[in-house]
Amino acid sequence: QVQLQQSGPGLLKPSQTLSLTCAISGDSVSANNVAWNWIRQSPSRGLEWLGRTYYTSRWHNDYAFSVKSRITISPDTSRNQFSLQLNSLTPDDTAVYYCARGIVSTFDVWDQGTMVTVSS
Amino acid sequence: DIVMIQSPDSLAASLGERATINCKSSQSVLNSCSNNYCLSWFQQKPGRPPKLLIYWASTREYGVPERFSGSGSGTDFTLTISSLQAEDVAVYYCLQFSGSPPMFTFGQGTKLEIK
Repeated sequence: QVQLQQSGPGLLKPSQTLSLTCAISGDSVSANNVAWNWIRQSPSRGLEWLGRTYYTSRWHNDYAFSVKSRITISPDTSRNQFSLQLNSLTPDDTAVYYCARGIVSTFDVWDQGTMVTVSS
Repeated sequence: DIVMIQSPDSLAASLGERATINCKSSQSVLNSCSNNYCLSWFQQKPGRPPKLLIYWASTREYGVPERFSGSGSGTDFTLTISSLQAEDVAVYYCLQFSGSPPMFTFGQGTKLEIK
């Protein structure tokens, strides 16, 4: 049974960098045909896919246009986890952040989510 | 950018009644998923993450009750609950994947309530 466990701070100030980590159990961050995603949800933006990392002979990353200049998603094979870094935060980045496993062009396993608030 | 529009925004139906939610894409996604439509449906209850119900437009996820079904093609897709149960009260979202460039887009959600 695949499970995801997220960790990271919940309160940040504008211009700071958000760092979240998602630990994987029951699967491998290096598994073929699987991608590891970050998604957020807010009342103003709804559900928004942020990006993903996946391995097929080499590591790949895809990012949403809306955050492409500010985001980095990285795998950590030694700890079997992946991370999100989102810099230059503004209050508009306030949302519940989810990590999710991606297969066959959808998301089948999600963590419980972390509320991230950006406020001075 | 691809836009996904769901209708209606909210829906109230009686227990045992059929409920239908629609999702319209601004762009067909047949070519991004090996001859399957890259369209999936999720159910979200308060305080919980979204739960996958349907993928490839009509394939039910393992463990999802048979009363949930998906249909559609091209740019128009439908989620149908054949006989509404109390536990089906939730917000439902559609999701589209497009491969070039890789991108996932959610619909705005449809809130389903019991009448």
